[in-house]
Amino acid sequence: GQNIDQPTEMTATEGAIVQINCTYQTSGFNGLFWYQQHAGEAPTFLSYNVLDGLEEKGRFSSFLSRSKGYSYLLLKELQMKDSASYLCAVRAQGTDKLIFGTGTRLQVFP
Amino acid sequence: GAVVSQHPSRVICKSGTSVKIECRSLDFQATTMFWYRQFPKQSLMLMATSNEGSKATYEQGVEKDKFLINHASLTLSTLTVTSAHPEDSSFYICSAAGSAYYEQYFGPGTRLTVT
Repeated sequence: GQNIDQPTEMTATEGAIVQINCTYQTSGFNGLFWYQQHAGEAPTFLSYNVLDGLEEKGRFSSFLSRSKGYSYLLLKELQMKDSASYLCAVRAQGTDKLIFGTGTRLQVFP
Repeated sequence: GAVVSQHPSRVICKSGTSVKIECRSLDFQATTMFWYRQFPKQSLMLMATSNEGSKATYEQGVEKDKFLINHASLTLSTLTVTSAHPEDSSFYICSAAGSAYYEQYFGPGTRLTVT
């Protein structure tokens, strides 16, 4: 079966660093995605990992360990506008389908 | 990045009526499109995979006769919610995957309210 877990909610302070974890158990693996979604809007693409290691893109970085079925999204120098839901999604082998985790609602406080 | 549009952005309909939602890829050809549903404070749930020129593949628990999907061209897929009921009220989002892209591009979503 497919199972993707993320914490439901997290809070952090403006300027801080926050790490959002995602663990997955899926039938085959062909990439892990992180999306940001503001309330009432569609998700926007943040990052893609298919090999183990860290991918850095500005204030956002994403890490993947395929052997552990684990990923995290790291957000640095948090800004108020980073308050949103962060969705972890896994693409199974041989398909373009994405299976989404429950999403993590992040609130950034001043 | 690639652009995907949805129409309408919001729709209110009466119980028992049908509603059609369009999803268009504006600057690339999408061989595959996906339809998701999202209830408040929940994540995206994949409803079906729409392939151009063939029948859609529905996820378990999604009624294919209630949620009709047509992918008539490489730039357009439609989702028709037939005989809508209040419990169908949700945020419907489409995404498109072109053959040259490894990621999916999401449309802006359609907020459906059934009264």
